[in-house]
Amino acid sequence: NAGVMQNPRHLVRRRGQEARLRCSPMKGHSHVYWYRQLPEEGLKFMVYLQKENIIDESGMPKERFSAEFPKEGPSILRIQQVVRGDSAAYFCASSPETGRSYGYTFGSGTRLTVV
Amino acid sequence: GDSVTQTEGPVTLPERAALTLNCTYQSSYSTFLFWYVQYLNKEPELLLKSSENQETDSRGFQASPIKSDSSFHLEKPSVQLSDSAVYYCALGIGGSQGNLIFGKGTKLSVKP
Repeated sequence: NAGVMQNPRHLVRRRGQEARLRCSPMKGHSHVYWYRQLPEEGLKFMVYLQKENIIDESGMPKERFSAEFPKEGPSILRIQQVVRGDSAAYFCASSPETGRSYGYTFGSGTRLTVV
Repeated sequence: GDSVTQTEGPVTLPERAALTLNCTYQSSYSTFLFWYVQYLNKEPELLLKSSENQETDSRGFQASPIKSDSSFHLEKPSVQLSDSAVYYCALGIGGSQGNLIFGKGTKLSVKP
């Protein structure tokens, strides 16, 4: 499968634990985007990364959330000390350099449940 | 700044009715436009894309960018039950917030 790979598909965490969400972009894609989707709501942009660089993190909450896209390996979205309000679907998307004309390919998402 | 505005939802239609979902945009750049569809408990997927007055169609859906009123409405002559989903209009931009900005989405329910 050459698509965008996200894991895990489902993640359950207790309040106060850490959540790590992984995303491997499509082959040949160098740009990664993370979105959050609350139940019955639309896509909310969180962060845009290229290899080893955060390009735009204007949608990231100021505390507890961080993202990286290292030279080797997948992109990671990390949520520290999770709270019930973090329960959502987190989608990763990737694009080549020409994302604005090519569009994005989305992964199947990680459903985070905080109990 | 750049923005996308979509039909307020939800929209409910009977089977075989004609569909139009409105999308208007503001952009400082040359225009690349997209429609994405998200079925229940699935990820968004690309439905169709277009640029600069190029009409496009896919799976029976059509959209034609109209520069004069900055619109990219999604149309289908006859909807099916399986078309029930959330539809997002997106605009290709440059610079920050990645390369696409998405509208808020319109939920479509098709009833028998």
